[in-house]
Amino acid sequence: QQQVKQSPQSLIVQKGGISIINCAYENTAFDYFPWYQQFPGKGPALLIAIRPDVSEKKEGRFTISFNKSAKQFSLHIMDSQPGDSATYFCAASGRETSGSRLTFGEGTQLTVNP
Amino acid sequence: EAGVAQSPRYKIIEKRQSVAFWCNPISGHATLYWYQQILGQGPKLLIQFQNNGVVDDSQLPKDRFSAERLKGVDSTLKIQPAKLEDSAVYLCASSRDFYSGNTIYFGEGSWLTVV
Repeated sequence: QQQVKQSPQSLIVQKGGISIINCAYENTAFDYFPWYQQFPGKGPALLIAIRPDVSEKKEGRFTISFNKSAKQFSLHIMDSQPGDSATYFCAASGRETSGSRLTFGEGTQLTVNP
Repeated sequence: EAGVAQSPRYKIIEKRQSVAFWCNPISGHATLYWYQQILGQGPKLLIQFQNNGVVDDSQLPKDRFSAERLKGVDSTLKIQPAKLEDSAVYLCASSRDFYSGNTIYFGEGSWLTVV
């Protein structure tokens, strides 16, 4: 049973535009929601993460918005750049369910055109 | 700080053959994970170690997959006999401990093709 659903599967954005990727989760015991960025031939790398006690977290051009009641969270990439072209994964973990180990979404392949 | 090291990076084997992957986590990280990432999908946990003990291996196909972390540092993942559907990237990862919220660091992966 997939516990984290991610959309869209792929996204094409023009340079300077806003990229938005959405995720929904089912398990209310999740308490940590990271986003990972993966370039071809590389392992996933942590981009930004949020806890459910805040509704938004911003780091540079990257922002996570979190809606606890809807069990949804999203990644916003402002002023998208060609170097942001990668696959993005949302994930979740929770001390009551799985400790530190992450359940990943299926990924979104982002292409930023110059 | 050195990252998670994995080897070999690439391996091509025939079905029913065996293969082994090695991982050296970040120094001082007590928790080690093996994930399987099939092309176009998100990583899926195979097994999680805390020091040299298994925390979770519920998703490990134990009839063909095995893993060990004998001294609580390096780990080996073995597949025997391999099937075509085992073609994937095997990602090793580590974190300081097993509490939710600990950053998990991934290696670059070992790419397996079974023909």
